[in-house]
Amino acid sequence: EPEVTQTPSHQVTQMGQEVILRCVPISNHLYFYWYRQILGQKVEFLVSFYNNEISEKSEIFDDQFSVERPDGSNFTLKIRSTKLEDSAMYFCASSADTGGGKLFFGSGTQLSVL
Amino acid sequence: GENVEQHPSTLSVQEGDSAVIKCTYSDSASNYFPWYKQELGKGPQLIIDIRSNVGEKKDQRIAVTLNKTAKHFSLHITETQPEDSAVYFCAASNRNSGYALNFGKGTSLLVTP
Repeated sequence: EPEVTQTPSHQVTQMGQEVILRCVPISNHLYFYWYRQILGQKVEFLVSFYNNEISEKSEIFDDQFSVERPDGSNFTLKIRSTKLEDSAMYFCASSADTGGGKLFFGSGTQLSVL
Repeated sequence: GENVEQHPSTLSVQEGDSAVIKCTYSDSASNYFPWYKQELGKGPQLIIDIRSNVGEKKDQRIAVTLNKTAKHFSLHITETQPEDSAVYFCAASNRNSGYALNFGKGTSLLVTP
């Protein structure tokens, strides 16, 4: 069964460092998303991406964040200068369609900022 | 923006019993309501969803009901099994927010043999 793949599963970084979280969405999907979950809190929407551009973003997704689809298979989330409060589980998701389409999530990357 | 509340935060049932998890939402424009199951170390997995043009949907032991007037929807699991133990999240989305999912805080379900 096709699945969304995320790497690495765990990432530890120093405050102020840049990190790149990587995702390989399901191959025929067109819509890509990043969500995050701070320990004990809700899963929160960060950004959606379609046709090589951001379609929606939340207040959390500030100038420190960026997304890219560098080739036909990868979808990345970059945090330019990490802060302690960026520590969270980051989930990538993809969907074949929008309009309330079914999202398929990866297993997540646990980011720890020290 | 949309606010989704989910109750209870934890639920313990005996194998074979039913489990019900309830969610409310605030934005009357929301029209898509999925439920996700998250097992330890894994990402959320879609188990059932419902759109605002129907009131109930069933898939084997799992059913979801939606009351648009009251702005609440519920997940019903019948004949629970130990493998149903997981964290369950409800979510709501609508066109105004580009169908970004707004999640509830989750319910940790424990099914004891």
